[in-house]
Amino acid sequence: QVNLQESGPGIVKPSQPLSVTCSVTGYSITTSYYYWNWIRKFPGNKLEWMGYISYDGSIYYNPSLKSRISITRDTSKNQFFLQLNTVTTEDTAVYYCARHSRVPFDYWGQGVMVTVSS
Amino acid sequence: DVVLTQTPPTLSATIGQSVSISCRSSQSLLHSNGNTYLHWLLQRPGQSPQLLIYLVSRLESGVPNRFSGSGSGTDFTLKISGVEAEDLGVYYCVQGTHAPYTFGAGTKLELK
Repeated sequence: QVNLQESGPGIVKPSQPLSVTCSVTGYSITTSYYYWNWIRKFPGNKLEWMGYISYDGSIYYNPSLKSRISITRDTSKNQFFLQLNTVTTEDTAVYYCARHSRVPFDYWGQGVMVTVSS
Repeated sequence: DVVLTQTPPTLSATIGQSVSISCRSSQSLLHSNGNTYLHWLLQRPGQSPQLLIYLVSRLESGVPNRFSGSGSGTDFTLKISGVEAEDLGVYYCVQGTHAPYTFGAGTKLELK
């Protein structure tokens, strides 16, 4: 059974980096042709796709975030990570990780709420 | 970026009623490879989004067949044939034809 679980800080101060981890069980993140995504949901229901890291380690970011975002992975722990730099209150959101392949976004984590506040 | 416009923003329905949600794209979602990467998600209250339909009309495994998708080019529709209580939540269309992925603003399905 594929399971994704996010973990994160809860609260981040403005201008600081935001870091969230997605721990995957039941499926290897290096399995061919699978992509591991970060998606966030702002207050008020808007969803934004942030980027992915693929099975072979290649990365694609949403151009709107390109200067601030970094997605990395630790294959030994079957985890991948989101870092978003220089956050503002507008980065307050629920952060989700999700799997994508031929079938898009078929597994999601439960999400982690991150609030940017001083 | 591709803009997806969903209507209506809110939908009130009774149990057993059939309803439709529209998703219109700012540009054609037909990819050069012949696929149309338009999908539908449902987020129930307190839960993560879940995939309902992908590639316009393909039902995800385990999703009841009262859900159906149709459309082409820039106009797409999700239909629920006989709403059940568990269908309440926010429905999103999402496109993957043109990077980056973009989502519609959502349609909230409520009980009348």
